[in-house]
Amino acid sequence: SQQGEEDPQALSIQEGENATMNCSYKTSINNLQWYRQNSGRGLVHLILIRSNEREKHSGRLRVTLDTSKKSSSLLITASRAADTASYFCATDQAGTALIFGKGTTLSVSS
Amino acid sequence: DAGVIQSPRHEVTEMGQEVTLRCKPISGHNSLFWYRQTMMRGLELLIYFNNNVPIDDSGMPEDRFSAKMPNASFSTLKIQPSEPRDSAVYFCASSSASGMWEQYFGPGTRLTVT
Repeated sequence: SQQGEEDPQALSIQEGENATMNCSYKTSINNLQWYRQNSGRGLVHLILIRSNEREKHSGRLRVTLDTSKKSSSLLITASRAADTASYFCATDQAGTALIFGKGTTLSVSS
Repeated sequence: DAGVIQSPRHEVTEMGQEVTLRCKPISGHNSLFWYRQTMMRGLELLIYFNNNVPIDDSGMPEDRFSAKMPNASFSTLKIQPSEPRDSAVYFCASSSASGMWEQYFGPGTRLTVT
């Protein structure tokens, strides 16, 4: 069953612009993670935010979490062509492994 | 340090044949996951192991699929007999914790069943 759902499904921007993608989920979580997948590759972990955290930064990435709305957002600032990839949120439910959403496909053109 | 290793990277087989996918997790990781990714269904968790013991196999689509982890450094996912609808990219991932933390993915095996 799908726990996280990303929005939008696809996003096209120019280099230097910011990219924001959102994730909504259905049940209570312990943490939420974001992963990136380049075409033809496996997923790569980007950032983890715990349920008691509201915001987290890592380089050009900023993640927010609103547990009351069961939603998270991933902001990539000053995007680069190399950021072109699919981005997935993943959530855990107590006692189970991660459940991934279907992803947002980001295209950054130079 | 080698990441998660999967073999083969590509597999083309005919319907009805047996397919075996292999995975070597990162040394020291005690959780291992098998996923299947398709355009239609996205990334689906098939099964995961903790300390070599299968914890949740509810994602295994049917009896044609089986997975084993005979030791901490090796796992297999077997499909017998294979069907065209099994065509997908199969990923193995490992984690140093119970499965709710950061996972490290292998490069995947692209399976095509004709």
